[in-house]
This record gives sequence, C-alpha cells and structure tokens, in this order.
Amino acid sequence: AQKVTQAQTEISVVEKEDVTLDCVYETRDTTYYLFWYKQPPSGELVFLIRRNSFDEQNEISGRYSWNFQKSTSSFNFTITASQVVDSAVYFCALSGNTNAGKSTFGDGTTLTVKP
Amino acid sequence: EPEVTQTPSHQVTQMGQEVILRCVPISNHLYFYWYRQILGQKVEFLVSFYNNEISEKSEIFDDQFSVERPDGSNFTLKIRSTKLEDSAMYFCASSAPRGWKLFFGSGTQLSVL
Repeated sequence: AQKVTQAQTEISVVEKEDVTLDCVYETRDTTYYLFWYKQPPSGELVFLIRRNSFDEQNEISGRYSWNFQKSTSSFNFTITASQVVDSAVYFCALSGNTNAGKSTFGDGTTLTVKP
Repeated sequence: EPEVTQTPSHQVTQMGQEVILRCVPISNHLYFYWYRQILGQKVEFLVSFYNNEISEKSEIFDDQFSVERPDGSNFTLKIRSTKLEDSAMYFCASSAPRGWKLFFGSGTQLSVL
C-alpha cells in the first residue's frame, strides 16, 4: 500500500520568508511518481511538479524548488521569498507505475503567508 | 491550455436522491478519473476509467457509484442514493495516452441535506 505523510498541518510565515513543506512517502513500487499540487482558496487543484523515482535531480522553478531524496523517501518543497499569493493548501501525492493516474494524496499543508 | 470542465459547480440534493456529476475531459485524452475531497480533508481516488470500462476503483466506490462515458465527450459520475457522507468536492481528471500529468477540473461541490 502507498502512503504519503505531510506532517505539517499548518504553517504560517511572514512575507519574504522562505518556507519548506515536508513530504514523506511509502511505497513498495520500484517505479513511482511524486507530485505536488496547490489548492488555493478557490478550490481548484493546480499541478506544480512531477518527479519519477529514477530522477533524483533537484528542480528549481522560479521561487519554487523541490528536493527529492530517495534514501529518506522524502520529496520536500521549498518556497523562497514567500508571497501572500502563495497562501494555499499544498498536497504531496504519489502514484505507482501500473496506474499513473491513481494518486495517493497526503493530508495537505495549509500555508498562510502574512503581509 | 485545454481544460477539463465540470458541471454543475455546486449541487444540493436531498438524502436518498440520485445525482449525476458531469465532466468534459480534454478531447484527446483517453484516461479518466474521479476523485473526491471531503471538506478539510485529503483528496481521495475514487475510480479510473479507460477504454470504456473501469480500470481500477477504490473501496469508497461502492455499488451506489457508477461512471459512464455516454458519448465521445462526456464522463459522468452517478450516485444512486445519496447519503449525508457523500457531501464533498468531486474532481474529474483526465490524462493523455501514455501521459502522466493529471488535468483536474475545478470540481463540483455536492451538498447532501
């Protein structure tokens, strides 16, 4: 069975601070995919990134960066110089190779960025 | 960018009534999914659909749920006899052949009274 743990339920930071959202996963699959989604107050799910299990390179996209460490089964997400518009619920998700569209989501981390 | 469209955005129904949630996936996509999110909780997989049949379903997707692709464009989720605990946001998603990225719709908020 697959499991995703986002231990941080809520995080509150002040604008321009850096913040890291943690994600730890469990799977028996040797090939799997990890995702981060953003859910703003409007409710839609916004895809941020996908990483497959064979690609441990870290990735940076503007103020966003992701640190994938297979050895610790973690896929952490860092927002640099946070902004009020980053306030949202962030979900980490995991899917296996046999049904890549079937994702197991974590409980989500609610990020509040205060001005 | 193409979008997955869901209608209605909000649906209110009485317990025991049947509801149909509608989705128009992206036109060249072949894999379709329903997820749900109870208020304040995680997003949960319900069912995946490919080649006009269910490819996988979760424990949540019991006999009161069904999915259908009645024509070449729509993908529906039917709940035969709604319960209070069915109140949730229901997300439709689709993905391309050999694709890995799920494109989610904006969701239908179902309220069962």
